[in-house]
Amino acid sequence: DIQMTQSPSSLSASVGDRVTITCRASQSIGVHLNWFQQKPGKAPKLLIYGASNLQSGVPSRFSGSGSGTDFTLTISSLQPEDFATYFCQQTSSPPRTFGQGTKVEIK
Amino acid sequence: QVHLVQSGSELQKPGASVKVSCKASGYTFTRFDINWVRQAPGQGLEWMGWINTNTGNPTYAQGFTGRFVFSLDTSVSTAYLQISGLKPDDTAVYYCARNFIAAGTGTDDFWGQGSLVTVSS
Repeated sequence: DIQMTQSPSSLSASVGDRVTITCRASQSIGVHLNWFQQKPGKAPKLLIYGASNLQSGVPSRFSGSGSGTDFTLTISSLQPEDFATYFCQQTSSPPRTFGQGTKVEIK
Repeated sequence: QVHLVQSGSELQKPGASVKVSCKASGYTFTRFDINWVRQAPGQGLEWMGWINTNTGNPTYAQGFTGRFVFSLDTSVSTAYLQISGLKPDDTAVYYCARNFIAAGTGTDDFWGQGSLVTVSS
């Protein structure tokens, strides 16, 4: 199975900060990488698919980049509603696997 | 608009069975496959497998064979997850998600709200 490793596991940031989360795959996955946001008690919400494509309705402050084994999710200016846990997911080969999550907390 | 609505929370005893439903609306059900994802309390996301909504053919991830069964009733646009021989370790929120192909890759673009299954004596 392809292992997905996110870093950091958690971070504290202030409103307006630029935040970057990284995800590393244990082998090359091309651009078959998606990012999700999850708030407590809620289902995950798709933010980015195919490494860099913004899902419809998602604010443009979210962006994704990378290919192969290294990927990043960037929030250009953190907003109060962005405090949540973020997961990466690879869909290059089954089983689909997720990163362990990055919790973004208020500083 | 697209909605996936899941059945409610369940409290079951060890050894019992449970069936979770996932009713789709707002799109043609048989055009998009359904993935199932598990999230144990305070834990991350675990992909359980998927079902082809056109053929009904299920595919199970390792660790989800034997006691887990995916099925469909296309007449009511509903997917089901049945778990038999429940164990306390099965306590989790179970999500269904629509599989969407875009930009040459698969993703889960719409999710059900989740169904909490609690296994306790």
